[in-house]
Amino acid sequence: GENVEQHPSTLSVQEGDSAVIKCTYSDSASNYFPWYKQELGKGSQLIIDIRSNVGEKKDQRIAVTLNKTAKHFSLHITETQPEDSAVYFCAPARGGRGGADGLTFGKGTHLIIQP
Amino acid sequence: GAGVSQSPRYKVAKRGQDVALRCDPISGHVSLFWYQQALGQGPEFLTYFQNEAQLDKSGLPSDRFFAERPEGSVSTLKIQRTQQEDSAVYLCASSLYKNQPQHFGDGTRLSIL
Repeated sequence: GENVEQHPSTLSVQEGDSAVIKCTYSDSASNYFPWYKQELGKGSQLIIDIRSNVGEKKDQRIAVTLNKTAKHFSLHITETQPEDSAVYFCAPARGGRGGADGLTFGKGTHLIIQP
Repeated sequence: GAGVSQSPRYKVAKRGQDVALRCDPISGHVSLFWYQQALGQGPEFLTYFQNEAQLDKSGLPSDRFFAERPEGSVSTLKIQRTQQEDSAVYLCASSLYKNQPQHFGDGTRLSIL
């Protein structure tokens, strides 16, 4: 099965600075790479995703970059704001956007935005 | 509905009791997933439904765990003879179809005393 690792486990940045979280995976057949945001007491919310035929995708302050050769993809948040504080999970998958199988999540990165 | 709804939000039970957790997926969503999230960990897959058919239950940790979706909409996750290690947040997600993004509910936090 898929082995997923996230780094770092905790990231503290000053408000306005950028944050980068990296996810490495083991299954070379993975072709869908989403990032989820989980706020305290809530379920996970899909914030951005990318397919394997694209190297980078951007949505306002959030971007995801993919290196399929090295089997890792990263979440980039620029101009961080207090509301970005949350736990972020990667969940690489095969078979499309979620596939017929359940997602395999990383252990999460706790992002703390310091005012 | 506007999103995936789960109930109850919190459940406390004594060891050995049976519990039932409910999930109302987004209307019209064919696929439904259950996940278990231990403290400080990412969600872990339990089981998957396509309409009323349970196509994958490989993640269920023991035969004490049982899930159903009899009419292809609402789903119930049942845990029999609960143990302390069952304490976790149980998340439900639905997607329009199997290759579409999953939308998560806020979960049920289960505490076994």
